[in-house]
Amino acid sequence: DTGVSQDPRHKITKRGQNVTFRCDPISEHNRLYWYRQTLGQGPEFLTYFQNEAQLEKSRLLSDRFSAERPKGSFSTLEIQRTEQGDSAMYLCASSQDLVNYGYTFGSGTRLTVV
Amino acid sequence: GQQVMQIPQYQHVQEGEDFTTYCNSSTTLSNIQWYKQRPGGHPVFLIQLVKSGEVKKQKRLTFQFGEAKKNSSLHITATQTTDVGTYFCAGPRSNTGKLIFGQGTTLQVKP
Repeated sequence: DTGVSQDPRHKITKRGQNVTFRCDPISEHNRLYWYRQTLGQGPEFLTYFQNEAQLEKSRLLSDRFSAERPKGSFSTLEIQRTEQGDSAMYLCASSQDLVNYGYTFGSGTRLTVV
Repeated sequence: GQQVMQIPQYQHVQEGEDFTTYCNSSTTLSNIQWYKQRPGGHPVFLIQLVKSGEVKKQKRLTFQFGEAKKNSSLHITATQTTDVGTYFCAGPRSNTGKLIFGQGTTLQVKP
């Protein structure tokens, strides 16, 4: 197991198109998180899963964002009808099923909406 | 809502000088975590502090957790060019595993 994998690394899309990102967490980790990061800012929480259950979704997210983790393993994050403001780095992280464990982040997917 | 704030936002030092970043939470934290993000990279977990007043060291890095568990600091002694990056503190929200990140302190080291 080489850590958290994210695909693709970069995505350029036209405004209005739908995009989907994939995250493969560390296999022993039950928790999976999606964060968004823009230049000069810290990671901003989007949503997280414990196994296949989505436990929380940020109120900042519009209905255009949806995430799934169908079998409690990999996860997908979909953005529908992309807008220029969606341009950011989308980070996935995983951790063990306890509050007091650090996250392991993937390398992220950089989205550019043109 | 819960907020985590860091100062300073940027710090430029000469190689060999010390560096400190401070983190403050609007609420009491069960633990505080520190991450480092190199330019163009992703955040990497450094350490977690759990106990009130806890101090931990990693080589030239010293981490402290305040007595009230609402503030923390990271001190780097004798900075090196390899220390360049952005340092984030993060605290869990209530009893969830969700971390709230500060905006980070970006360290530049001049050789």
